Amino acid sequence: KNQVEQSPQSLIILEGKNCTLQCNYTVSPFSNLRWYKQDTGRGPVSLTIMTFSENTKSNGRYTATLDADTKQSSLHITASQLSDSASYICVVLGQAGTALIFGKGTTLSVSS
Amino acid sequence: DAGITQSPRHKVTETGTPVTLRCHQTENHRYMYWYRQDPGHGLRLIHYSYGVKDTDKGEVSDGYSVSRSKTEDFLLTLESATSSQTSVYFCAISENVGTGAPGDTQYFGPGTRLTVL
Repeated sequence: KNQVEQSPQSLIILEGKNCTLQCNYTVSPFSNLRWYKQDTGRGPVSLTIMTFSENTKSNGRYTATLDADTKQSSLHITASQLSDSASYICVVLGQAGTALIFGKGTTLSVSS
Repeated sequence: DAGITQSPRHKVTETGTPVTLRCHQTENHRYMYWYRQDPGHGLRLIHYSYGVKDTDKGEVSDGYSVSRSKTEDFLLTLESATSSQTSVYFCAISENVGTGAPGDTQYFGPGTRLTVL
């Protein structure tokens, strides 16, 4: 069964600290992997999208990595800000024409 | 929200009544999607459209129907609402799907919170 598992489920960090969120998937064959940020009460917003041939992609303070061999991805947030408090969702697309598989998300809380 | 509006934004209805949610886009994207989001679950695809009058089912399509008569509008109908359909519904759009290119990116609307009593 195609699945996307994220860890941790929730995380609390101090402002200015770094953190890393994990995503493991069993989707095969694999087309691309996305990370989304969802603020409370709003729709998800895309942070990065990577194909199987890409190892890393950055978007400002967000850096996503992908290891297609081990089927793992991570999202690293540098110098966290209060505005980073949100749910971060890992999404995997299998071969073209199939549906996106969404993880349940990691809830990040950044405190001052 | 990338030129996507959803209406209504909030709705309370009673079991057994029909409900229609509307998604409107100004981006002229080919693909449109309806998702529901519930606590303890990831976003789940209800239906999607790959063109005018071209739609297909997602993983949780039972009890829902959709229509797309124009590129910019995608309607989601609950023929007879049930309490299990209480959820937050998101519409999304994309230019492409499965290419790995930036055009694959889905843009989400602000959501509709539906409560079925």
